[in-house]
Amino acid sequence: QVQLEQSGSEVKKPGASVKVSCRASGYTFTNYGISWVRQAPGQGLEWMGWISPYTGKTNYAQSVRDRVTMTTETSTSTAYMELRSLRSDDTAVYYCARVSLLHFDVWGQGSLVTVSS
Amino acid sequence: DIQMTQSPSSLSASVGDRVTITCQASQDIRKSLNWYQQKPGKAPELLIFDASNLEAGVTSRFTGRGSGTDFTLTISNLQPEDVATYYCQQYDNLPLFTFGPGTKVDI
Repeated sequence: QVQLEQSGSEVKKPGASVKVSCRASGYTFTNYGISWVRQAPGQGLEWMGWISPYTGKTNYAQSVRDRVTMTTETSTSTAYMELRSLRSDDTAVYYCARVSLLHFDVWGQGSLVTVSS
Repeated sequence: DIQMTQSPSSLSASVGDRVTITCQASQDIRKSLNWYQQKPGKAPELLIFDASNLEAGVTSRFTGRGSGTDFTLTISNLQPEDVATYYCQQYDNLPLFTFGPGTKVDI
């Protein structure tokens, strides 16, 4: 079945970087976009950006544009989201989601990133 | 940028009730709206896409309506498994997506 499997929890210090992975299975990876969404503790969903695995083209939300890089590795059907210069307010669960005709139809299980000194 | 609002922010209802959640866009987004359900501790799941189309496998107790700036999600015959937070999401302002703040539904 169609699945997105994310990497595990991470604890990082302020100023560090984190790279979260999202491995796709059960479908042709290059046929769908991958979007990243985060959710701070007790808060709502925040869209961070998306990438086309076919073209490599990306679009980022203004709030993270200067600190985020989204990439894909088509040989392993894996998407990555790297966030730099981490701050305490980056503590959140990070989700990847498959983009199908402009809706997010399959989600990963989430990866908790904790930023703490 | 397009701003999304939802009302109410939370509600409590009884099993069997009909519940309606409203989502409003700051400008005309035509029918470019999706609805997601997020149960506690879980990833969100797609319920409705393009304002009114039910995602495969989702119960027909969920109905989406609206266009332009005003949208609704209605849950008929509310069940215990519907306890969740519901989010609308616009995609008219591509390549950017925007989520609403969410509506928490309790029983």
